[in-house]
Amino acid sequence: EAQVTQNPRYLITVTGKKLTVTCSQNMNHEYMSWYRQDPGLGLRQIYYSMNVEVTDKGDVPEGYKVSRKEKRNFPLILESPSPNQTSLYFCASSPGLAGGSGANVLTFGAGSRLTVL
Amino acid sequence: AQSVTQPDIHITVSEGASLELRCNYSYGATPYLFWYVQSPGQGLQLLLKYFSGDTLVQGIKGFEAEFKRSQSSFNLRKPSVHWSDAAEYFCAVVPYTGGFKTIFGAGTRLFVKA
Repeated sequence: EAQVTQNPRYLITVTGKKLTVTCSQNMNHEYMSWYRQDPGLGLRQIYYSMNVEVTDKGDVPEGYKVSRKEKRNFPLILESPSPNQTSLYFCASSPGLAGGSGANVLTFGAGSRLTVL
Repeated sequence: AQSVTQPDIHITVSEGASLELRCNYSYGATPYLFWYVQSPGQGLQLLLKYFSGDTLVQGIKGFEAEFKRSQSSFNLRKPSVHWSDAAEYFCAVVPYTGGFKTIFGAGTRLFVKA
């Protein structure tokens, strides 16, 4: 089944304790992106990647890091989490340039709910 | 400023009634337009998309949307709502041809009354 898998789905942590949220897709998509969802704000892009070793900042990158060493994986790293990073996080992917009319259609993971105390 | 606006934070309709969710965007050229749906506890799923051509597009689950260039709108409609349609709906835009960044509206939560 074509899917984007995120882990963990739920996490409670404390301020300053580094954590990684993993994201993996099995569709050979070029484009991957991380969003955070907060009430009343919709989804805001944190980082995105056009392909392996190509990443760039989205609209709210502060406090986050990403890497894209393999095409299928795009982990989100919080080096020193703070309470304002408490949110629902989504990883998404799309075919990218090779996708024709579906190039921009995003497939989402189920989400990771993070609480930072 | 460039943006995607969904004016209604939440809407309540009776089961069997018609539905229209509004979306306006403020980008110069005609962007790529999308509606996604988020059921409780799940990720977002594509309902439909508009790239070019016929301005009335059909999607899954009986939804349709109409692109109106003069109004910079892409409203989502369904003639008869089912209880299972209760969810949050997001309008989204890729602002320019060849781009990949997707901008999302704040979402409209749909409640369905029995």
